[in-house]
Amino acid sequence: DQQVKQNSPSLSVQEGRISILNCDYTNSMFDYFLWYKKYPAEGPTFLISISSIKDKNEDGRFTVFLNKSAKHLSLHIVPSQPGDSAVYFCAASTGNQFYFGTGTSLTVIP
Amino acid sequence: GAGVSQSPSNKVTEKGKDVELRCDPISGHTALYWYRQSLGQGLEFLIYFQGNSAPDKSGLPSDRFSAERTGGSVSTLTIQRTQQEDSAVYLCASSQTDRGRRYGYTFGSGTRLTVV
Repeated sequence: DQQVKQNSPSLSVQEGRISILNCDYTNSMFDYFLWYKKYPAEGPTFLISISSIKDKNEDGRFTVFLNKSAKHLSLHIVPSQPGDSAVYFCAASTGNQFYFGTGTSLTVIP
Repeated sequence: GAGVSQSPSNKVTEKGKDVELRCDPISGHTALYWYRQSLGQGLEFLIYFQGNSAPDKSGLPSDRFSAERTGGSVSTLTIQRTQQEDSAVYLCASSQTDRGRRYGYTFGSGTRLTVV
């Protein structure tokens, strides 16, 4: 049973525009949410996290929004750059375990 | 080391053979995770080590899978009598104590295991 879902397997965005990546979860006990970025043949790298007690966290071009009532998480990248092209995973944690989504492949078109 | 190191980067093995995958976490990181990613799937939790505590093995898919962590540092994931469904990228991640929940874990580049 997939507790964290990324329903869009891919997304294409023009350079300079906003990229919005979405993530839904089912477990209301999750207390931390993270976004990872993965290039081919590399391990995922941590991007940004948010605690369940917050609804927004910003770091440079990256902003994560959390809507607990909807059990929905989103990552906004503004402005998008070609180097942002990668697979993005959202993850949620409770206790020791992280649950990952299946990823969204972002392509930023120059 | 500067990052999490995994070896080998690629492994092709015959069905029924045993394999060992190695992970060298970042020095001083007490938390260590193993995940695997099968084709088209998300990252699947396998096992978690935290310091000297008993590992959380709840994600291991069968008793053919085992892992150990020697001296609180290097970890080895062993798969016995490999099956074709074991083919996946096996990823190791480490973190300082429980900071990973907030600041993220550092992943290695993974071992791509192919069982033929």
